[in-house]
Amino acid sequence: GAVVSQHPSRVICKSGTSVKIECRSLDFQATTMFWYRQFPKQSLMLMATSNEGSKATYEQGVEKDKFLINHASLTLSTLTVTSAHPEDSSFYICSARAFRGGGDQPQHFGDGTRLSIL
Amino acid sequence: GDSVVQTEGQVLPSEGDSLIVNCSYETTQYPSLFWYVQYPGEGPQLHLKAMKANDKGRNKGFEAMYRKETTSFHLEKDSVQESDSAVYFCALRSVGGGKLIFGQGTELSVKP
Repeated sequence: GAVVSQHPSRVICKSGTSVKIECRSLDFQATTMFWYRQFPKQSLMLMATSNEGSKATYEQGVEKDKFLINHASLTLSTLTVTSAHPEDSSFYICSARAFRGGGDQPQHFGDGTRLSIL
Repeated sequence: GDSVVQTEGQVLPSEGDSLIVNCSYETTQYPSLFWYVQYPGEGPQLHLKAMKANDKGRNKGFEAMYRKETTSFHLEKDSVQESDSAVYFCALRSVGGGKLIFGQGTELSVKP
């Protein structure tokens, strides 16, 4: 079954609206969560990495004030797209990884959020 | 920086054909290597992995060998099925690093 739940799966809203996307790890504690963006027929582009209780690390070119990430607990991270505009329309995917005392833990992905800004 | 390059675009074998999807990587560290599969409207799912050189990942008839000497992790299958149709991503993660680096993706469309 799904181990990472992402909500909502689809959002359609007006330009200027802020949109929050939630990512939950269902049966493990995710010390690290990742947010990706994917354009049609393209690869996943990492936007930021967040560790529980600390500030997110953003990839080059990703606006921190535009894409607010909060990782307040070991099972929840949120991505808020502030004042969204049509160019922010995309497929956003979160991913979570557990830390279990060393070893290479798998990275589980949510089913993505299709964001459409009118 | 780390990078992954894989067979671009779309691959259109017929059912029963053999398949090779190329993947080459570049990194200064010792990566773990992965193939992810993505179906329409969903996030990627781990398909197979190899943690170190000469390891072979296997899943559902697919195989990929971690070849350090050629920095490759090609995905192979002897006989593809229509149900294998999806987008496949090769990815690496460096030891001690947190993030997965993905290739461009290869769309596999198997003709019945």
